[in-house]
Amino acid sequence: GNSVTQMEGPVTLSEEAFLTINCTYTATGYPSLFWYVQYPGEGLQLLLKATKADDKGSNKGFEATYRKETTSFHLEKGSVQVSDSAVYFCALSLTSGGSYIPTFGRGTSLIVHP
Amino acid sequence: EPEVTQTPSHQVTQMGQEVILRCVPISNHLYFYWYRQILGQKVEFLVSFYNNEISEKSEIFDDQFSVERPDGSNFTLKIRSTKLEDSAMYFCASSRDPIKSPLHFGNGTRLTVT
Repeated sequence: GNSVTQMEGPVTLSEEAFLTINCTYTATGYPSLFWYVQYPGEGLQLLLKATKADDKGSNKGFEATYRKETTSFHLEKGSVQVSDSAVYFCALSLTSGGSYIPTFGRGTSLIVHP
Repeated sequence: EPEVTQTPSHQVTQMGQEVILRCVPISNHLYFYWYRQILGQKVEFLVSFYNNEISEKSEIFDDQFSVERPDGSNFTLKIRSTKLEDSAMYFCASSRDPIKSPLHFGNGTRLTVT
């Protein structure tokens, strides 16, 4: 079946540090890939997406590139802020036998210190 | 921007009682989902709903669970006889196109079973 694997958290960084959160996937086909962010007490919200190989999604300084050859979609940001502290979820979406089940990774907690 | 709204935000119930969690998806969306998240951890798929019927459900979604779209705007999740392990955050989500478009999540209902 389809699955998403994310690096274990929490990731703890100082403000202005470089961020990478690794995400790899397994899928029988060519999924669309997403990063969602969850701030404390809120639901998940879309951060960025890529729908085909070599696409780069970007938003709010975050980027991720859809790499079909390594089945990866790593999230990066050049300089994190305290306000980026949240839980980040990698997800894929792919039709499977006529149904559509977006599948999420376990989430990676990011803590940014001033 | 349209939002997915969920009510109540917090529900406390006794073991064995029935609960109904309510959601109003975004009006022009056609695909609806329930997910749950225990203690801020993994986001687990429960059920997807399209064209007024369940399109997919997980192992978690046993006979104690049911979903309904009673009036064309609300989307409800019913748990007939709650167990302690049903305590979790329950998120409703909707999508226009689940492959290329993201899910839009509500802020969740925190269910506490005592």
